[in-house]
Amino acid sequence: DGGITQSPKYLFRKEGQNVTLSCEQNLNHDAMYWYRQDPGQGLRLIYYSQIVNDFQKGDIAEGYSVSREKKESFPLTVTSAQKNPTAFYLCASSPRPGQGANEQYFGPGTRLTVT
Amino acid sequence: QKEVEQNSGPLSVPEGAIASLNCTYSDRGSQSFFWYRQYSGKSPELIMSIYSNGDKEDGRFTAQLNKASQYVSLLIRDSQPSDSATYLCAVAGGTSYGKLTFGQGTILTVHP
Repeated sequence: DGGITQSPKYLFRKEGQNVTLSCEQNLNHDAMYWYRQDPGQGLRLIYYSQIVNDFQKGDIAEGYSVSREKKESFPLTVTSAQKNPTAFYLCASSPRPGQGANEQYFGPGTRLTVT
Repeated sequence: QKEVEQNSGPLSVPEGAIASLNCTYSDRGSQSFFWYRQYSGKSPELIMSIYSNGDKEDGRFTAQLNKASQYVSLLIRDSQPSDSATYLCAVAGGTSYGKLTFGQGTILTVHP
């Protein structure tokens, strides 16, 4: 089956620990994205990548880091510098980045709780 | 002013009625427009995309775009309780090259 997978579905961490969220896609999409969603709010862009070995900061990149070493993988690390890391994290991919179309498809998400 | 703004909710309609969801955007260079449906606790699902002025119909859903007024809407005909969800408007192009900008979402409840 083609799709986007995120693991784990739920993740619990202690404050001060770094944590890495996984995102894998087998859709052969060029672009991948990470969003954060807080209760009752829309999606805010953390980082995005339109091609392997390249990525750009989104609107709320502080306290996060990413890598794009393979086309199908775009892991997100939530560092201890992120002040409010508890949130629903969504990964998305797009087949035609930047061509004005840019429909994105989402993975199932990871709920991160930091205490 | 928010870049993408949706009508404040929650919106409640009776089963069988037409639900109307509205969205305005600030970037005149925006080129493509999307509606996502998000059930509680789940990830967003793309339900409609529209790129040119006018209407686009897909089953019970109709997306309407007016670039001059910087306005996009989603109509859901014959609303069903299963349509109860948060609907997110997203806009691409212009200064948001390669990215989508999302509205805050409108909660729709369809009651039997």
